[in-house]
Amino acid sequence: AQKITQTQPGMFVQEKEAVTLDCTYDTSDPSYGLFWYKQPSSGEMIFLIYQGSYDQQNATEGRYSLNFQKARKSANLVISASQLGDSAMYFCAMREGWGTGTASKLTFGTGTRLQVTL
Amino acid sequence: DAGVIQSPRHEVTEMGQEVTLRCKPISGHDYLFWYRQTMMRGLELLIYFNNNVPIDDSGMPEDRFSAKMPNASFSTLKIQPSEPRDSAVYFCASSPRLAGSSYNEQFFGPGTRLTVL
Repeated sequence: AQKITQTQPGMFVQEKEAVTLDCTYDTSDPSYGLFWYKQPSSGEMIFLIYQGSYDQQNATEGRYSLNFQKARKSANLVISASQLGDSAMYFCAMREGWGTGTASKLTFGTGTRLQVTL
Repeated sequence: DAGVIQSPRHEVTEMGQEVTLRCKPISGHDYLFWYRQTMMRGLELLIYFNNNVPIDDSGMPEDRFSAKMPNASFSTLKIQPSEPRDSAVYFCASSPRLAGSSYNEQFFGPGTRLTVL
């Protein structure tokens, strides 16, 4: 089974509108973290936001927020007031467990390509 | 801080040649990761190191691939011999030591775009 699933290969949103990018995850570990990265056309990977499994509140970072629904195992990224510069690939990733060892690695989803239009 | 540094940024080579990709992690980071990104397979973890020691190389596709980390500030990923199917973008990432948390932001380098003809 896929550990991270992003079901939207592509999304369109108008400038200044909000958009939600979906991410569901699969883990039996009670301790985990969820990450979103942005990859613009230039290719670099940019960290956006993090949510820990024990965090009581949804993470927010500027125009980015994470809609964390633990029971549904979903961690959707919400971008408010979209800008043309938000056009990029967006990846959801998960780290299972705490501490060292194999728990250190991230598992990435297949990504969603977001296109912001005028 | 300069961030994660990778070289070269672009590499074009012919099938059968040896290719060496280089990475300098962020100073003080204990973890170093090598990823490969292709359209077909997305972002795959190839191998990662903790304190210069390889921890998990289960993602290395085959014996043609090897990675080393001789010291805390340098790592190489070598492909010998290279094949056209190795064409991809190879990313190096580093992260700091964890302290009882799942938080583990990985800082990515700019990537090396490899084309094997």
